[in-house]
Amino acid sequence: AQKITQTQPGMFVQEKEAVTLDCTYDTSDQSYGLFWYKQPSSGEMIFLIYQGSYDEQNATEGRYSLNFQKARKSANLVISASQLGDSAMYFCAMREGATDSWGKLQFGAGTQVVVTP
Amino acid sequence: EAEVAQSPRYKITEKSQAVAFWCDPISGHATLYWYRQILGQGPELLVQFQDESVVDDSQLPKDRFSAERLKGVDSTLKIQPAELGDSAMYLCASRRTGVTETQYFGPGTRLLVL
Repeated sequence: AQKITQTQPGMFVQEKEAVTLDCTYDTSDQSYGLFWYKQPSSGEMIFLIYQGSYDEQNATEGRYSLNFQKARKSANLVISASQLGDSAMYFCAMREGATDSWGKLQFGAGTQVVVTP
Repeated sequence: EAEVAQSPRYKITEKSQAVAFWCDPISGHATLYWYRQILGQGPELLVQFQDESVVDDSQLPKDRFSAERLKGVDSTLKIQPAELGDSAMYLCASRRTGVTETQYFGPGTRLLVL
């Protein structure tokens, strides 16, 4: 069964606008972590933001924020004030289990974002 | 800023040949991961090391793939013989166990099997 679902295969967004990328997850663990990574065409996976399952506040990192709705099992990424350099593939990922578990990540299929001038 | 190093960045080979990829994790990171990413999909874990020990290789096709991390630092992933379906991006990541949650990825090796 798919653990991470990203329903938007691709999105266009205008420069300076905000964009929300959807991510839903499936786990029966109480302790887990949710991650977002950015993958430009060069291929490297760049870490953006992390949310722990016990964190009560939504994570923020600069222009990135994570809208964490635990009851709905969703962890949407919001990019504010989009820039041309934000054009990339974005992946949602989950680590199940306790903090000191082996930390294997399970990834969604990704969402391609294209920022237009 | 410390980075995960991988080489080569690109590899073209013919089917039935042997290929090897190298990864040097961030210094001090005890946990090392190899992922395979097929075009259009998210990465999938192949093998995971804690220091020099394999802790998860359940998704590694062991008839043709092998991985080692002999001194608990850098790691090599080998495919022998390569098949057409092995064409993919191979990503290495590392994590400092127990201190940080984040996995940091290297630039990857793009493999094309002809």
